[in-house]
Amino acid sequence: DAGVTQSPTHLIKTRGQQVTLRCSPISGHKSVSWYQQVLGQGPQFIFQYYEKEERGRGNFPDRFSARQFPNYSSELNVNALLLGDSALYLCASSFLAGTGELFFGEGSRLTVL
Amino acid sequence: QKEVEQDPGPLSVPEGAIVSLNCTYSNSAFQYFMWYRQYSRKGPELLMYTYSSGNKEDGRFTAQVDKSSKYISLFIRDSQPSDSATYLCAMEAAGNKLTFGGGTRVLVKP
Repeated sequence: DAGVTQSPTHLIKTRGQQVTLRCSPISGHKSVSWYQQVLGQGPQFIFQYYEKEERGRGNFPDRFSARQFPNYSSELNVNALLLGDSALYLCASSFLAGTGELFFGEGSRLTVL
Repeated sequence: QKEVEQDPGPLSVPEGAIVSLNCTYSNSAFQYFMWYRQYSRKGPELLMYTYSSGNKEDGRFTAQVDKSSKYISLFIRDSQPSDSATYLCAMEAAGNKLTFGGGTRVLVKP
């Protein structure tokens, strides 16, 4: 069975640009969450979507946005990139929302120059 | 003060030893407790998932939760070089987000 898949795996952007990251959850999972992991730190919660509705948002600026599609896949968008946005962006899926049993993808590594 | 505290390590042990990891937390609303293993440049892999206080064993792994002390532990028996990784504790209140510790880097030497 396929796990959580994310694309692209690596990308390099310059300050001020915009980026879109994509995620496909495990088949049958209806909840998708996004986390940012800066090198040497634990992941930090950005968004959770369940059944295409936003269920939670972390302490991130409005430059970060996301959506979930009818097939439960998801996109994370970041506008006006800053150097500090360089990180590993992780997508996680779960069957339900709020149970804690999240399964993560390999992440998209974003470098902002 | 962070909601979840975890010693960053590195924790170096000889092969076959018991690895002992722990996290402390401040939010009494946390009720789901998890341990993830993360290899370098990979996504976190769920190892153990527990609800509320108590012990849970799965193969070489044992997770303990003490809600009265706001303290959770993970023990790895008969450690192997392949156990060398960063171990992340994570917690969730009833809701929608995990709060992670900073991770402990573990090195198991052959």
